[in-house]
Amino acid sequence: GAGVSQSPRYKVAKRGQDVALRCDPISGHVSLFWYQQALGQGPEFLTYFQNEAQLDKSGLPSDRFFAERPEGSVSTLKIQRTQQEDSAVYLCASSFSPFGTEAFFGQGTRLTVV
Amino acid sequence: DQQVKQNSPSLSVQEGRISILNCDYTNSMFDYFLWYKKYPAEGPTFLISISSIKDKNEDGRFTVFLNKSAKHLSLHIVPSQPGDSAVYFCAASASSNTGKLIFGQGTTLQVKP
Repeated sequence: GAGVSQSPRYKVAKRGQDVALRCDPISGHVSLFWYQQALGQGPEFLTYFQNEAQLDKSGLPSDRFFAERPEGSVSTLKIQRTQQEDSAVYLCASSFSPFGTEAFFGQGTRLTVV
Repeated sequence: DQQVKQNSPSLSVQEGRISILNCDYTNSMFDYFLWYKKYPAEGPTFLISISSIKDKNEDGRFTVFLNKSAKHLSLHIVPSQPGDSAVYFCAASASSNTGKLIFGQGTTLQVKP
C-alpha cells in the first residue's frame, strides 16, 4: 500500500488479556517506530527497529510489552496481561532513513482495556 | 520531565490571518525539529521540518523559525484556512539518538471562517 497500515483500528481487551497489534510499514522503509499516545497527550516513544534489529526499546513501559520485526518489514507490538493504564492509541511510523527523520505515521490502533 | 513543551493547548484564529504556534525544548542535544498535523482518528502527518543549522524553513504557507539560544521554535501559517484546523505537534530528535521523536503535548488550532 501507499502508506503505513495498522490493524486492528480498534481493540477492546479485558484486563489480563494478551493483545497483538500489527504494523505494515511503507515498502522499503528501513526504520520503524512504535509510539503510545494517551488521551490529550503527544505520542511517546516506545521502541525503534532498523530493519529487523531492535536498536532501542528504552520506551517500553514494562516487560509486558514486546515488539518484533522478524523479516525487517511487518512489525507486531504485543502486550501481555493488559492493564487499564495500557489504554491508549498505539501509533506505528516508518522512515526510509536510518535516522527516522520525517517518519510517516499510520492511523493507529485504539486499545481500550476494560 | 517534559523535554518538548507546547504551552498553549489551543489557539483560535480568523480565516486569512496568521496562526503562530509555539514550542520550547530543554535538551541541547536536539538538532532536528519537526511539526506534525493531526486530524481526529488519523495518525500525525508530517508538515515541515528544520535542522539546527538553519533558523528558518519555508514551505508554501508554512514557515518554521528556530531560535537555538532560546531553545524555541514556532510555526507560522499564513494565510490560515479552515482546513488547517487540527492538532499540531512539535517534535524534536537528536541525530545521536536513533532518530526517535520527542513530542510536545500538542496545540489545537481552530480557524474560523
